[in-house]
Amino acid sequence: EVQLLESGGGLVQPGGSLRLSCAASGFSFSGYAMNWVRQAPGKGLEWVSGVSGSGDSTYYADSVKGRFTFSRDNSKNTLFLQMNSLRAEDTAVYYCAKSRGGGVSDGYDCWGQGTLVIVSS
Amino acid sequence: DIQMTQSPSSLSASVGDRVTITCRASQDISNYLAWYQQKPGNVPKLLIFAASTLQSGVPSRFSGSGSGTDFTLTISSLQPEDVATYYCQKYISAPRTFGQGTKVDFK
Repeated sequence: EVQLLESGGGLVQPGGSLRLSCAASGFSFSGYAMNWVRQAPGKGLEWVSGVSGSGDSTYYADSVKGRFTFSRDNSKNTLFLQMNSLRAEDTAVYYCAKSRGGGVSDGYDCWGQGTLVIVSS
Repeated sequence: DIQMTQSPSSLSASVGDRVTITCRASQDISNYLAWYQQKPGNVPKLLIFAASTLQSGVPSRFSGSGSGTDFTLTISSLQPEDVATYYCQKYISAPRTFGQGTKVDFK
C-alpha cells in the first residue's frame, strides 16, 4: 500500500524557517516525481513545488521561489521542504503528493494527510 | 503563467441529477488536465487524468472531456457521497495550477 506521511509542521514566527519531511513507502520511490501542495484554512488547493524522480529537476510556484527548497533522499524514501523567510500567507496545511506516472507532468494519485504550518507572531 | 478558471464556484443539486463543472485554461494545455475530489475534512482524491481517463477505483458516473482550453467534469447521477469540492489542475508545465474549486452540495 502506498503511504505518505508528512511531519515537521508547527507554529513559527514571521521570517522564521521550518523543514517539512514526507516519508514514503509502498512504491518504488525513485521512479516517481513528487510534489507539495498546500491549502490555507478554508481555501482551495495551491501547487507549491515538484521534483523529478532523480531529484535533478525542481519546480516552484512564484509565491515560494527563492524561499523554499524541495529536495529528496532516495536512499531514505524521504522528501524535504525547507521553508525560509516564512510569511503569514504561508499558513496552510502542506500535503505531499505522488505523481501518478514517472514524470512530473501527471496527476497526483496519492496524498499524505498533511501537516499544518502556522506563521504567526 | 496559464490560469485555470472553474465554473460555477458552487452548485446545489438533487440526488440523481446530472452535474457538470467546467474548467477553462487561459492557453492550450492539450489534455494535461486532472480532476480531484475533496470531501470535507479529507485529502484530495484523483478522479480523472489526461482530461478523460478515469482513475482506477473511481465510479463510472464520473467522466471528463475536453482538450485544448475547455474541459468538463460530469457526474451522471449525483449521489449523496459526492458532496465535495472539485478541483481541476493543469500539469503540462510548472506552475501546475489548480482551479479555484467548485463546491457541490444538495438542495
